[in-house]
Amino acid sequence: AQTVTQSQPEMSVQEAETVTLSCTYDTSESDYYLFWYKQPPSRQMILVIRQEAYKQQNATENRFSVNFQKAAKSFSLKISDSQLGDAAMYFCAYRSAMEYGNKLVFGAGTILRVKS
Amino acid sequence: SAVISQKPSRDICQRGTSLTIQCQVDSQVTMMFWYRQQPGQSLTLIATANQGSEATYESGFVIDKFPISRPNLTFSTLTVSNLSPEDSSIYLCTATRGQMSHEQYFGPGTRLTVT
Repeated sequence: AQTVTQSQPEMSVQEAETVTLSCTYDTSESDYYLFWYKQPPSRQMILVIRQEAYKQQNATENRFSVNFQKAAKSFSLKISDSQLGDAAMYFCAYRSAMEYGNKLVFGAGTILRVKS
Repeated sequence: SAVISQKPSRDICQRGTSLTIQCQVDSQVTMMFWYRQQPGQSLTLIATANQGSEATYESGFVIDKFPISRPNLTFSTLTVSNLSPEDSSIYLCTATRGQMSHEQYFGPGTRLTVT
């Protein structure tokens, strides 16, 4: 079974600075997808960024980028120019491309606090 | 995209009773899932709601405790039976349009408190 590990229960960053959230995963599969989701206090889950395992290029979405290291099974999220609105719980998630269905396996989450 | 609504948004229930949560999607989806999120913790998959057949449960979750229905492609219910304080949690409904779809749609969750 696949597992996702987020080793940082909580992180803090100063507004306008950069922060990196860590995620490692364990799988025997070669084809899969990785995601970062943001869950603000409203509880509505928001997709931040997605990475396909077969792509070597790291995904980027505006201020959000990932460092995907397939051999190391590492998938970190970098948030540049942090804003107060970035404060939330962030989940790293894995989805198999092989198994039927779209089950997501989530990490434990990292609470991100942004200081003004 | 798809918009998911859940009813109720929150409830307080007595020990030993049951709560049924409804999940409604505004358009047809292929897969629907139910997750549990205990306070301050991650999301754990309870089961996949299969249209027209029995749900597929994850390890540690059983049909007697979490019966699920999915009568069509836009609607599902999750019942949490014989409630105990340990069932206090947020229950989330999610959906996707197909195996190759990258997008997973999330409901707003139902916060259940058992007293």
